[in-house]
Amino acid sequence: QVQLVQSGAEVKKPGASVKVSCKASGYTFTGYYIHWVRQAPGQGLEWMGRINPNTGGTNYAQKFQDRVTLTRDTSISTAYMELSRLRSDDTAVYSCAREVAQWGFDYWGQGTLVTVSS
Amino acid sequence: DIQMTQSPSSLSASVGDRVTITCRASQSINSYLNWYQQKPGKAPNLLIYAASTLQSGVPSRFSGSGSGTDFTLTISSLQPEDFATYYCQQSYSTPRTFGQGTKVEIK
Repeated sequence: QVQLVQSGAEVKKPGASVKVSCKASGYTFTGYYIHWVRQAPGQGLEWMGRINPNTGGTNYAQKFQDRVTLTRDTSISTAYMELSRLRSDDTAVYSCAREVAQWGFDYWGQGTLVTVSS
Repeated sequence: DIQMTQSPSSLSASVGDRVTITCRASQSINSYLNWYQQKPGKAPNLLIYAASTLQSGVPSRFSGSGSGTDFTLTISSLQPEDFATYYCQQSYSTPRTFGQGTKVEIK
């Protein structure tokens, strides 16, 4: 069965970086885009970017363009999201999700809570 | 960027009610519109893709319609497990923008 399993919760200080992993199983990793979405406490869903695991090609939301880096390691079917220069308003649950063509995000990771606090 | 606007932001309804949520895109997105259900502390769950196609395993009381800029999610007979927040999302282009969400609460 398809699964996306993310790394555990993180606590970071302002100005630091965080790297969240998303390990895929149960399907061909290189066959589907992986997207990253975050949700601040009590807020809605915010798209951050996507990576093509086959080519490594990426697209980022303008808001995060200079702070986020998406990468992947096809040998272990894992995607990564690194966010730098963290601020308190980056406190959120960060989730990876698989996209089927352009037909929605059909599988999601369990989410990783990143807390930014001094 | 394509802006997605949902209405209402919240609603109160009773079990058995018919519920309709609307989503408007700032430009035409053809049928590249998806609906998700999210319960507290859980990841979103894809309900409908391509505006009107029910995702596998989703109950038939959920339906979607629309194309271009105006879309609708309908729950024909609200069940206790349907109390949640619903989001629309466009997959026409990047960034993949979401609506602000509609919280469906118990009346």
